[in-house]
Amino acid sequence: DTGVSQNPRHKITKRGQNVTFRCDPISEHNRLYWYRQTLGQGPEFLTYFQNEAQLEKSRLLSDRFSAERPKGSFSTLEIQRTEQGDSAMYLCASSPGTSGRNEQFFGPGTRLTVL
Amino acid sequence: AQSVTQPDIHITVSEGASLELRCNYSYGATPYLFWYVQSPGQGLQLLLKYFSGDTLVQGIKGFEAEFKRSQSSFNLRKPSVHWSDAAEYFCAVASMDTGRRALTFGSGTRLQVQP
Repeated sequence: DTGVSQNPRHKITKRGQNVTFRCDPISEHNRLYWYRQTLGQGPEFLTYFQNEAQLEKSRLLSDRFSAERPKGSFSTLEIQRTEQGDSAMYLCASSPGTSGRNEQFFGPGTRLTVL
Repeated sequence: AQSVTQPDIHITVSEGASLELRCNYSYGATPYLFWYVQSPGQGLQLLLKYFSGDTLVQGIKGFEAEFKRSQSSFNLRKPSVHWSDAAEYFCAVASMDTGRRALTFGSGTRLQVQP
């Protein structure tokens, strides 16, 4: 069990550029979550997948955001036409099974800075 | 909608002193409750969780928490704080009754430990 990994760990981009982040969940975990955390706040839910199906999207996930989980393994989160307000830590988490009793295991996050 | 309140933004305690971090939740049904810890530059690590049964739950690193339904609280405690406990602590709630599995987090309490 190598834990949840996220790449890159840091990303600096200019306003208007597109960025893509990757999350590799713990092997065999069929649920994968994306959260966003801004300075001084707790993480806020963005979206989650059960296997390859995207089951819920938060209102925070504007049209510029898209997430995929092909084949139910790794996931990508893309932000198009980045804005300064997108600067945040993007956290990925995974959990086994389908019950809410399963804890979520978090990755180290990708810190995005939009200049 | 469910929400989590952590009234204390910042707490400072002396090493060896006892600690209590407050967490209140607002949720219409029976919640699943979690405490996570986040060190600088790190992801979130689960300290403990409550699903049902005994309302006093034990976690890692000597932490415990007590679920009080009548007060809608899930306060985190430690009898003797170590310098390595300095970090940010987040309380979170998930749904037991709905299909929603995403976590709703509080805004966190930053713990500083004085020598």
